[in-house]
Amino acid sequence: EIVMTQSPATLSVSPGERATLSCRASQSVSSHLAWYQQKPGQAPRLIIYGASTRATGFPARFSGSGSGTEFTLTISSLQSEDFALYYCQQYNNWPLTFGGGTKVEIK
Amino acid sequence: EVQLVQSGAEVKKPGESLKISCKGSGYSFTRYWIGWVRQMPGKGLEWMGIIYPDDSDTRYSPSFQGQVTVSVDKSISTAYLQWGNLKASDTAMYYCAKSAAARPYFDSWGQGTLVTVSS
Repeated sequence: EIVMTQSPATLSVSPGERATLSCRASQSVSSHLAWYQQKPGQAPRLIIYGASTRATGFPARFSGSGSGTEFTLTISSLQSEDFALYYCQQYNNWPLTFGGGTKVEIK
Repeated sequence: EVQLVQSGAEVKKPGESLKISCKGSGYSFTRYWIGWVRQMPGKGLEWMGIIYPDDSDTRYSPSFQGQVTVSVDKSISTAYLQWGNLKASDTAMYYCAKSAAARPYFDSWGQGTLVTVSS
């Protein structure tokens, strides 16, 4: 099983600042990496797939990068609606696995 | 519009059985994987299992293999998650989610079904 490790667990950022979230895989997942956003009381939403392709409905301030074992989600200028939990998921191998999540909170 | 509509919240006792559902609409139901994801209170997402409705090909996480059953009735575009012997530790929110294209990442999610197991 591929273990996905996200860091940091909590990221405190001021509105307008950049947020950089990391996701590491225990073995290569090529570019088969997705990112999700989850707000309290809501289901997750797909932000990024293929490590760097933005899903429909997410603005350009969200970007993904990386391949192999190291991935990054960057939010270039945090807006109030971006404060949420973020999860990565690998889909290169069965079983599918999620990272433990990063909470982006207001500083 | 793609929609996944899950069955309502459940309160059960330990040892009871349960089957929750997820009805898909707005897309070709048989052509995309439907997965199930657990979220325990205050915790992260855990992938449980997934089924391809066209041929019922099913995969499970080792953590959930033998603990739950994933099934589908493609005639009514509905996927199911079933327990035979609930435990208090099964208390969680359960989401179904539709895969995108040929790869099992999830581009649409149900609203979640809260399962509470308590004596």
